[in-house]
Amino acid sequence: DVKVTQSSRYLVKRTGEKVFLECVQDMDHENMFWYRQDPGLGLRLIYFSYDVKMKEKGDIPEGYSVSREKKERFSLILESASTNQTSMYLCASSFVGRAEAFFGQGTRLTVV
Amino acid sequence: AQRVTQPEKLLSVFKGAPVELKCNYSYSGSPELFWYVQYSRQRLQLLLRHISRESIKGFTADLNKGETSFHLKKPFAQEEDSAMYYCALRENRDDKIIFGKGTRLHILP
Repeated sequence: DVKVTQSSRYLVKRTGEKVFLECVQDMDHENMFWYRQDPGLGLRLIYFSYDVKMKEKGDIPEGYSVSREKKERFSLILESASTNQTSMYLCASSFVGRAEAFFGQGTRLTVV
Repeated sequence: AQRVTQPEKLLSVFKGAPVELKCNYSYSGSPELFWYVQYSRQRLQLLLRHISRESIKGFTADLNKGETSFHLKKPFAQEEDSAMYYCALRENRDDKIIFGKGTRLHILP
């Protein structure tokens, strides 16, 4: 079974803090994704990585950065958390050229 | 720019009635379309893809390039179909997957 694991289910952080969301996959997938999921807005792509150290901006990269130092790990970084970044964050991975993405269980981040 | 549009936020259907979840897309290349589903307290997972032309849990979806649509259909709704459904498009050039805003399907007893 493919496993995509996000380090935290729930996270509460203060405004201005630097926040790290970690994601690990165990299927040797080349592609990894970070989305945020908000009611009425669906899933919006923040960043996409197609290989180690390679990344592309998604639709809403502002206020976020990413790190992919190892193939299995993709980190999302909130440089200075703000209340409008309160959301459910979903990590996913897939093989190059393959359609199916496998999702983690999500991290619900609350910024207070 | 590619876009995926799901016009309904919520769809309520009686058990046993037919279901149709609408999805329209805009994309300059040859699209690859999917439906993903998220049941309560579960991970988002792939339901079906247009390439395989399969029926999963009684659901089917046909890609209509003329109407740029990929509607999800099931002839007889079941209570366990209640979930959030997302239509998605994969970009061929770089594997990005773009999702619609989702439709919550509520099956009434």
